[in-house]
Amino acid sequence: DAKTTQPTSMDCAEGRAANLPCNHSTISGNEYVYWYRQIHSQGPQYIIHGLKNNETNEMASLIITEDRKSSTLILPHATLRDTAVYYCIVVLQGAQKLVFGQGTRLTINP
Amino acid sequence: SQTIHQWPATLVQPVGSPLSLECTVEGTSNPNLYWYRQAAGRGLQLLFYSVGIGQISSEVPQNLSASRPQDRQFILSSKKLLLSDSGFYLCAWSVWGAYEQYFGPGTRLTVT
Repeated sequence: DAKTTQPTSMDCAEGRAANLPCNHSTISGNEYVYWYRQIHSQGPQYIIHGLKNNETNEMASLIITEDRKSSTLILPHATLRDTAVYYCIVVLQGAQKLVFGQGTRLTINP
Repeated sequence: SQTIHQWPATLVQPVGSPLSLECTVEGTSNPNLYWYRQAAGRGLQLLFYSVGIGQISSEVPQNLSASRPQDRQFILSSKKLLLSDSGFYLCAWSVWGAYEQYFGPGTRLTVT
């Protein structure tokens, strides 16, 4: 699976959009980009995933660059409850497992 | 709807004692099942995964073992715990072929 690089930590003001970048420059054509988050003392929670096109659901939007070498997770109106570690994971189609990296610790400030 | 259960929520065990953590899933059939461990301040480490009854893949050599005696039951065991086994143990499930994994509430294990 391709390696991902994320900033260690980020801060965002409550009510503003939180934009979390992820670099996956070695991604191959049949690898998906998945995002999870882990709120303190809980298990990770699936957020969104994509292959080539941008995706949006009730939680977030995922913007994937045209060359697929990077992506951005957008939380449009961040709340204090969005404070968590966010993991960007690249998954090979057909693989049976996910490999979690260190993620980005996002802190939403009041 | 699908639910995943893990117990106990917290556990304190002495070094050298055995361990058994249980995970069960409801509302789905033939799920993929996973055990992860998260040491304090560290990332998630995949320990075992299973694609079916009796089928276990081990990711990290260690003194832990896993078993899947029933379709929706996944057990993590150890014969003798080490201090380094302390951590937050998470069970997860997914539909076969999908990568959205759904995690249980976790068991916080402290080995003393």
